Formats: sequence, C-alpha cells, structure tokens
Amino acid sequence: DAKTTQPPSMDCAEGRAANLPCNHSTISGNEYVYWYRQIHSQGPQYIIHGLKNNETNEMASLIITEDRKSSTLILPHATLRDTAVYYCIVRVAFGSGGSNYKLTFGKGTLLTVNP
Amino acid sequence: NAGVTQTPKFQVLKTGQSMTLQCAQDMNHEYMSWYRQDPGMGLRLIHYSVGAGITDQGEVPNGYNVSRSTTEDFPLRLLSAAPSQTSVYFCASSYFGRGYEQYFGPGTRLTVT
Repeated sequence: DAKTTQPPSMDCAEGRAANLPCNHSTISGNEYVYWYRQIHSQGPQYIIHGLKNNETNEMASLIITEDRKSSTLILPHATLRDTAVYYCIVRVAFGSGGSNYKLTFGKGTLLTVNP
Repeated sequence: NAGVTQTPKFQVLKTGQSMTLQCAQDMNHEYMSWYRQDPGMGLRLIHYSVGAGITDQGEVPNGYNVSRSTTEDFPLRLLSAAPSQTSVYFCASSYFGRGYEQYFGPGTRLTVT
C-alpha cells in the first residue's frame, strides 16, 4: 500500500487560502489520491479526489505534481467551520480482480482556522 | 435521502455482553464498511461488504461479525464485548469501482466497562 505523509498540524487565518501538503512517493500509476476531513466527533467527509490532473470542486482544489509523488489540497477561503483533521489517502485495491477498494486513514493534519 | 444512518449514537456495555450496531443507507450503494476510531488514531477497517450476501474481513475483524442480507443494511455484531472494543464506530457506503467517494454515518460511541 502506498503510504502518505502529512504534517500533524497547520494554522490558517480566516479568509485566507489553506494549503495542505501530502507526500505519497510510492504511489502506483493506477492509484487515486483522495482527501477527506473529519470535523470533531463527526464522521469523515469526502472532499475531492484525483488521479493525475488537477481537480476543483465547490469545496476545494487538488493539485497533484507531475510525478504524482505529492499533492496539495487548497481551501481557497478558509472559514472557522473548516477547522478539522484532513486526511490524504491513496486508494488501494484489494479483493478479486482489484475491484474492491479500502481507504487507509493515517493521522492526518489538524487544520486550525483562526479568526 | 437520509444518507447513512447509525444507531445507537451512544452505548455502554459490560464486559461479556453482546450487541448489534445498526447501519443503514438509502442510496442503493453496493459497498458498505465498518471502521473503528480510537483516540489519536486514524480509522481502521473492521469488515466490508461488496453487495448483499457478500462480506469480508478488514484490518481488525477479531471480535466482530457482520452480515448483509439486504443492500440497505449492514449490522455489526459484538458477540462478547471487551474493554478493548471501546471506540467510536463509523459505517460507510459507496458505489462500486474507482473514483467513487464514501459516505460516512455519524458514528456510534461505544464504551465497554
């Protein structure tokens, strides 16, 4: 399984962009990068995912380096409600035919958005 | 859609008791799974199912049983609770295949004394 490395914590001022890095140097060519977040005591929430192209949705942008060994999640205008633990996950395949996937959660990055 | 629902939200058990954590989804998702989360740790996969009648073990299956008789429901059974099973349990579901996000329930906080 490809492992990910994230800083344990980061701070961001409200209204500014939050840039959360993730290293995944052993990622395989067919593995996706997923980002989830977990607000205190709640279930994890999907944010975005990508394979090799940059992706954007209503929540965030995902920038993946050309060699795919690292990525950055960007929250363009962080709010206090974005304070959460952010998980960078490389999706692995297991089971027959590679058709089953699990999410391996590490410890993530605690993002604190300050007023 | 209600999404993924879990009951109960909180539960206290005594060592040796049994119970079932309920999980249901109304999105017609084929894939369902159970995770546990312990303080300061990430989520760990307990069991998963790729469809009705099909289940398999995850990373930490010992002490837990599951069944999947319908697409909607995926209960997790603790046969003989132990203090080491004190944790927060999350159920998740998704469509099959690559690129599909998983939806998580609100969790069940279980304490075993």
